[in-house]
Amino acid sequence: NAGVTQTPKFQVLKTGQSMTLQCAQDMNHNSMYWYRQDPGMGLRLIYYSASEGTTDKGEVPNGYNVSRLNKREFSLRLESAAPSQTSVYFCASSVHPPWAGVGNEQYFGPGTRLTVT
Amino acid sequence: QQQVKQSPQSLIVQKGGISIINCAYENTAFDYFPWYQQFPGKGPALLIAIRPDVSEKKEGRFTISFNKSAKQFSLHIMDSQPGDSATYFCAASYGNNFNKFYFGSGTKLNVKP
Repeated sequence: NAGVTQTPKFQVLKTGQSMTLQCAQDMNHNSMYWYRQDPGMGLRLIYYSASEGTTDKGEVPNGYNVSRLNKREFSLRLESAAPSQTSVYFCASSVHPPWAGVGNEQYFGPGTRLTVT
Repeated sequence: QQQVKQSPQSLIVQKGGISIINCAYENTAFDYFPWYQQFPGKGPALLIAIRPDVSEKKEGRFTISFNKSAKQFSLHIMDSQPGDSATYFCAASYGNNFNKFYFGSGTKLNVKP
């Protein structure tokens, strides 16, 4: 049981390049999330998927797109990378959808450190 | 505008001491307040969480104190150990609108042996 896995661990992009960050979970969770973590800013939600086949915007969605490929996988795409997108990206998953009204523990992956030059 | 304000930014505590991290919020609709612990190079992991219908929750050496009227909540780590050295994040959310799930800016705790 690997939990939440993310690839790649590190990536350097030039401004304008595109890339996809991959995330997979093997816990049969319904909901998945993408966050970015910047110094002094904590974690900010980019997009989430409450269930397979649905996606919705979080706090900072601009410049990103997502795909919930199946129940296990949730990818984050940067179409035209910008230096402002230099960050550490975390994928997370949870059993319940966000509005379940219960303590909705999220399990996080190890992160992808992205640098855009 | 940060919805959840966390302090201090960093904290140094001697082994065996008490570590206290504070968070304050404005939105009275928040109804779930978790704390996450993050070690270097790892993703955050849920440590302990509280709902506003109780004023305190304790799990082992970790206690959340919640003051609804002051809109503040804090994490207390009793008998702090070097293995507790990590970054701690408070967060707040309310069930019906996940877009309103907010993290604090984090506190880097260093417990000296």
